[in-house]
Amino acid sequence: GAVVSQHPSRVICKSGTSVKIECRSLDFQATTMFWYRQFPKQSLMLMATSNEGSKATYEQGVEKDKFLINHASLTLSTLTVTSAHPEDSSFYICSANHGGRAEAFFGQGTRLTVV
Amino acid sequence: GIQVEQSPPDLILQEGANSTLRCNFSDSVNNLQWFHQNPWGQLINLFYIPSGTKQNGRLSATTVATERYSLLYISSSQTTDSGVYFCAVNSQTSYDKVIFGPGTSLSVIP
Repeated sequence: GAVVSQHPSRVICKSGTSVKIECRSLDFQATTMFWYRQFPKQSLMLMATSNEGSKATYEQGVEKDKFLINHASLTLSTLTVTSAHPEDSSFYICSANHGGRAEAFFGQGTRLTVV
Repeated sequence: GIQVEQSPPDLILQEGANSTLRCNFSDSVNNLQWFHQNPWGQLINLFYIPSGTKQNGRLSATTVATERYSLLYISSSQTTDSGVYFCAVNSQTSYDKVIFGPGTSLSVIP
């Protein structure tokens, strides 16, 4: 199957700072990638669709100025959590669809803790 | 938007037992996938199954698209099967977006 790599896997940051998370498709090109957020013991909630070369599309209720998404190449999307606060602590995971049938493959996830 | 339900929400099995997990969805779908999320958070692709039946070792899945449900069968369960099982769909109106069900949390005890 296709490989999606996410980095870092775990990050602790101070309140008020910004954190960048990278999502790479290693063996295929992805014009579209997706960012999800998962709280403990809950399901994955789609935050935004990252589009190569254009603006991201955010789901209702997601602050676009808080969660900056850049999709600068066909293999890399980044999510920057700006001015992080403790309530932003969560598990963030990205995905990319491989092939014409849109099978989703996921990165390893990033566990963000804001202190 | 499309709604995805999974049952049961929690399941405890004795090692060696069999189980069936169910996924219902509210609208027609283009794709349906089953994932296993391990304790470290990694999502493992189990099946890509918009329709029909597939088998992979002790696991098999069946999707009846016309009746809007899918089943995941786990046979001879092992402790390593523990974790959360998610059903996820792509609706026909939002082709690329993958929408997740709430998951089934499985614990296999020795």
